[in-house]
Amino acid sequence: KQEVTQIPAALSVPEGENLVLNCSFTDSAIYNLQWFRQDPGKGLTSLLLIQSSQREQTSGRLNASLDKSSGRSTLYIAASQPGDSATYLCAVRYLMNTGFQKLVFGTGTRLLVSP
Amino acid sequence: GAGVSQSPSNKVTEKGKDVELRCDPISGHTALYWYRQSLGQGLEFLIYFQGNSAPDKSGLPSDRFSAERTGGSVSTLTIQRTQQEDSAVYLCASSNRGSPLHFGNGTRLTVT
Repeated sequence: KQEVTQIPAALSVPEGENLVLNCSFTDSAIYNLQWFRQDPGKGLTSLLLIQSSQREQTSGRLNASLDKSSGRSTLYIAASQPGDSATYLCAVRYLMNTGFQKLVFGTGTRLLVSP
Repeated sequence: GAGVSQSPSNKVTEKGKDVELRCDPISGHTALYWYRQSLGQGLEFLIYFQGNSAPDKSGLPSDRFSAERTGGSVSTLTIQRTQQEDSAVYLCASSNRGSPLHFGNGTRLTVT
């Protein structure tokens, strides 16, 4: 069964800290992996997409890495700010024999950055 | 439009009524997904459309739920005889193969 786990479930840090969010997946035959943030009462905003052939992607203060062999991805946030407070979700995409793309979401990490 | 558009943004309905939720995906995106998210919970997969293929309906929770995607573009999720447990945020997302998945802002459904 394809499962995605995110730890920690919740994280509280003071402003300015660097932090790492973890995403683990049981089936390493992934097509790609995408990180999202979700603000309360809002939809999901795409942060970074890593293709299966890539090791990392960077956008501003965010860096996402992918290690397929160990079934892990990390999202690194540098110099955290209160505006980074949100729930962070990872989603693993698998390409099925039918051509369908199956998405499996993690349950998220709720981040609170205090001023 | 530039993003995925969902309407209405909020819907309050009485138990037993039917509702229709609409999703307008990003132009040209062949894949369209519906999810729902109950308060404080993760995303629950409902249905997936890919091009002209038959959809993957494996996530629909009951036969009261159905969805269509006309002309490979706009999709409508219909819930018949709504129940209070149907109250949730219904999210739509679209993508092309290998490209990022983009979500709409969702429809918040409240069944009274």
